[in-house]
Amino acid sequence: GEDVEQSLFLSVREGDSSVINCTYTDSSSTYLYWYKQEPGAGLQLLTYIFSNMDMKQDQRLTVLLNKKDKHLSLRIADTQTGDSAIYFCAETESGGYNKLIFGAGTRLAVHP
Amino acid sequence: DTAVSQTPKYLVTQMGNDKSIKCEQNLGHDTMYWYKQDSKKFLKIMFSYNNKELIINETVPNRFSPKSPDKAHLNLHINSLELGDSAVYFCASSLNDRIETQYFGPGTRLLVL
Repeated sequence: GEDVEQSLFLSVREGDSSVINCTYTDSSSTYLYWYKQEPGAGLQLLTYIFSNMDMKQDQRLTVLLNKKDKHLSLRIADTQTGDSAIYFCAETESGGYNKLIFGAGTRLAVHP
Repeated sequence: DTAVSQTPKYLVTQMGNDKSIKCEQNLGHDTMYWYKQDSKKFLKIMFSYNNKELIINETVPNRFSPKSPDKAHLNLHINSLELGDSAVYFCASSLNDRIETQYFGPGTRLLVL
């Protein structure tokens, strides 16, 4: 079945860029998503990319999609302490209903 | 004016009890979902309803029974609670059951003792 993989931890210094990577298996996924979960909070949709795009930029966030390698990344420019959270990559399962398949989440820790 | 709301936010109960979690969305969406997040933060879909009809039913014990009285509400009833049911349960909604962005509620933290 479909699978989404992410590295579990990332530690960056405040002001640096963070890059969170994700690989997925379903090549026919139409949309790929990034969600953010702050401690004790729900899931906040950060951004998404349509599968026919290579890149999407939204203020400090840049999403890169390499369909050939089934690789998705999220770059956060000028990372702030408020960016400390778990970031989930998700794909929609193809051929059926709108079922999200999530990665295990990457814990981003931002230190001074 | 919360878009997707859940009650209660926290639920602590004994093994064997029956409990319900409620979800409401005011976005006018047709489709609602329940996801479970375990202690390792893995998120997995459990159920989905579209216009009050069940469309996704993953391999979930039949102690879990979702109910959708109308398309703005999706409740989750759990019978005979077990320790392994302890998790965070997230409700979500989307415009329809095709490729549409899902918006999540704040979660219900269930602890079974």
